[in-house]
Amino acid sequence: AQTVTQSQPEMSVQEAETVTLSCTYDTSESDYYLFWYKQPPSRQMILVIRQEAYKQQNATENRFSVNFQKAAKSFSLKISDSQLGDAAMYFCAYILTGNQFYFGTGTSLTVIP
Amino acid sequence: KAGVTQTPRYLIKTRGQQVTLSCSPISGHRSVSWYQQTPGQGLQFLFEYFSETQRNKGNFPGRFSGRQFSNSRSEMNVSTLELGDSALYLCASSLGQQRGETQYFGPGTRLLVL
Repeated sequence: AQTVTQSQPEMSVQEAETVTLSCTYDTSESDYYLFWYKQPPSRQMILVIRQEAYKQQNATENRFSVNFQKAAKSFSLKISDSQLGDAAMYFCAYILTGNQFYFGTGTSLTVIP
Repeated sequence: KAGVTQTPRYLIKTRGQQVTLSCSPISGHRSVSWYQQTPGQGLQFLFEYFSETQRNKGNFPGRFSGRQFSNSRSEMNVSTLELGDSALYLCASSLGQQRGETQYFGPGTRLLVL
């Protein structure tokens, strides 16, 4: 079975500080794509960052960056200079074949002013 | 470009009824995927449509069906509703040309079955 594990159901961070959300996954495939999506209270899923497994370089998008460890099957998300608007549920996911996402259970991030 | 839209946003039905949800993808996107989100099961893949054909299907009973029209708009139908079908139903669209491409989600339809 394809699984994505987010071991931190809840996290909190002080505004302007840095926080790292963890994600591990299990697949025997060598070619896949990894994503982090955020889901704010409005419930709309918003793409945070995307990583292609064949690329060794870690993806970055402004204040968001990942630490992709392919051998360890780990894909953590680092949020720098946290802002109040970063408060949301964060989902780690991957795509193997086709366009089907396998999602983790999510990490609820609280940003403390 | 306008984003992915879903209608209706909220729906209340009773057990045994059927329901149809609609999803309009971003202009130019030909792939539409559907997901069910519940507190207990999380986000689960229902199916994907591309060019009016179901391209991929998740592990849901036959009561869940879908279709896609020539303008790429998609509908999802659930027949004989059960209490456990109460969920947020999300659709996502993408170009559908490459594996692993970014998918853009709609705001969801919240279905409550009484």
